[in-house]
Formats: sequence, C-alpha cells, structure tokens
Amino acid sequence: GENVEQHPSTLSVQEGDSAVIKCTYSDSASNYFPWYKQELGKRPQLIIDIRSNVGEKKDQRIAVTLNKTAKHFSLHITETQPEDSAVYFCAASTPGGSYIPTFGRGTSLIVHP
Amino acid sequence: DSGVTQTPKHLITATGQRVTLRCSPRSGDLSVYWYQQSLDQGLQFLIQYYNGEERAKGNILERFSAQQFPDLHSELNLSSLELGDSALYFCASSVSTLAYEQYFGPGTRLTVT
Repeated sequence: GENVEQHPSTLSVQEGDSAVIKCTYSDSASNYFPWYKQELGKRPQLIIDIRSNVGEKKDQRIAVTLNKTAKHFSLHITETQPEDSAVYFCAASTPGGSYIPTFGRGTSLIVHP
Repeated sequence: DSGVTQTPKHLITATGQRVTLRCSPRSGDLSVYWYQQSLDQGLQFLIQYYNGEERAKGNILERFSAQQFPDLHSELNLSSLELGDSALYFCASSVSTLAYEQYFGPGTRLTVT
C-alpha cells in the first residue's frame, strides 16, 4: 500500500518567516495530494490540494508543489502568522474504487510572534 | 463548521465495554469515512461506506464494526475495548466515492480506563 513520509515533525519559525513542509510518497499511481491543518483538539481542515496533472498550486499565502518523478510534494507558507500555528498533515490518495488518503505523521508548526 | 456532526464529543468507558459513535454527513453527501487518530499511530483510515454499502476497509480491528443507515448517518461500534483504543475518532463525508475532498466532523474523544 501507499506510504507517506513527512518532515520535519516540528517546525518553529518567527512571525513573517516562510515555512516549508515536505512529504514523499511511495505509490506512483497516487494522483491526489491534500494538505490538512489541525488545531489542537479540532478537526482536520482541508487547506489546499493538488492533483497529479498540476505541478504547483497557490492560494494566497499557501502554495503546494508536486514533483511526480521524485514522488514528493511540499507545502509552502509565506509571511507566517501566529494563527498559522497548528499541526499540518499531508496525504496521498491512490485511485481505485475510492479515494482513500494515506496520511503523513504530521508537522507541528509553531509561529512565534 | 464542516456540516458533518458527530456525537458524543467525549466518551469515557472501561476496558471490556462496548460503545457506539455516531456521525451525520453533510447534506447531500453519500459517502462516510471513519478515521482513528492516536499519538502513536497518527491518522488512520478505518472504513468507508457509500449509500449504505461498505466500500473500502483500512486498518480496522475485528472488534470494530460500522454501518450506514438509509438516512445516511453512520455508526461505528467498538467492542471489547482496550486501553489502546483510546483515541480521537473522526468521521468524514464526501459527495461520492470518487470525490476528492473529504470534510471532517469535530471528532469523538474516546478514553478507555
């Protein structure tokens, strides 16, 4: 099955800095890569996603890049703010009967004011 | 608010007991997914139902079972509970089995003592 590795497990930045979280996946058939933000005790919320026919997608301060050849994808957050502090999960979905995501272990992002 | 509801929010029970977690998907969504989130295992897919039928199975223990009812709400039954079953249980929903986006509910925190 699919295996997703996520790094780093913890990321500490100063407000205004950029943050980058990286994920690798194992199944070359995976074609959908969502990113979720989870605040403490809350539900995971989809913040951005990318499909395998696209190399980059941007939404205001967040962007995701995908390198299908290397089987890795990254989340970029620019001009970080304290409210960006949360755990971020990447996931990879392989087409089949259903799109079931395999999640990375998460990155705890801490933005210091 | 994602539109997905889960009850109860918290559940404390003893080892060996049985509990039922309930989920109502977003209006119009036919597919329901169950996930377990624990510190050591991360976010793990358990099982998916679509319009009342089981569609995909993940790392779900034999002690766990689920069903989706005609009104599309779903229940996850956990029996012979062990300390290691303590976790956050999330339900998510999507329009169909081939819909990329999943919307998570607020979760049920289960504590087994």
